[in-house]
Amino acid sequence: DTGVSQDPRHKITKRGQNVTFRCDPISEHNRLYWYRQTLGQGPEFLTYFQNEAQLEKSRLLSDRFSAERPKGSFSTLEIQRTEQGDSAMYLCASSLSRTYNEQFFGPGTRLTVL
Amino acid sequence: DQQVKQNSPSLSVQEGRISILNCDYTNSMFDYFLWYKKYPAEGPTFLISISSIKDKNEDGRFTVFLNKSAKHLSLHIVPSQPGDSAVYFCAASGGTGGFKTIFGAGTRLFVKA
Repeated sequence: DTGVSQDPRHKITKRGQNVTFRCDPISEHNRLYWYRQTLGQGPEFLTYFQNEAQLEKSRLLSDRFSAERPKGSFSTLEIQRTEQGDSAMYLCASSLSRTYNEQFFGPGTRLTVL
Repeated sequence: DQQVKQNSPSLSVQEGRISILNCDYTNSMFDYFLWYKKYPAEGPTFLISISSIKDKNEDGRFTVFLNKSAKHLSLHIVPSQPGDSAVYFCAASGGTGGFKTIFGAGTRLFVKA
């Protein structure tokens, strides 16, 4: 399977704990995006990478959130000191720079903060 | 600040008829628009796109129309099939936002057999 994969698919944590999610994009894709989606809303942009460079970060992404793509391949999204408001679906997508933004999404990681 | 709006949360259509999903945007700098379809428990999948230099793009049963003066786009599905039942997201990117993509809240389409 050459699609975008995300791990874990589900994560339940207690408030105040740190969590880390992983995204493996389609291998030849050099752009990688992170989104957050809550019930009844569309995906909300968090950040994106071109290769290993983080080119944009939403102002909605507080300093508790950090994303990395160390070798331009997989990416991680870490949330420190989780809050109940962080409960959401976290989606990763990837694309080729030559195709204007037609992104391929992974299945998402559902986070529940108790 | 909702830059991309889908004002209809849901739409119900009879199989074989046309489905029309609408989307409005506020940022005139957007230059590329996309539609994604989402089934439950899956990530969104790309459906069709249109550049701001065009006013229509067609792919099989799916056609997207862009009216730049009205900042409005629509997705037409003809004929509608029960398998088209899903949530449809309108999205936009470009201008000073670069490749950052802004999504609407989605419209849930029900196609009745």
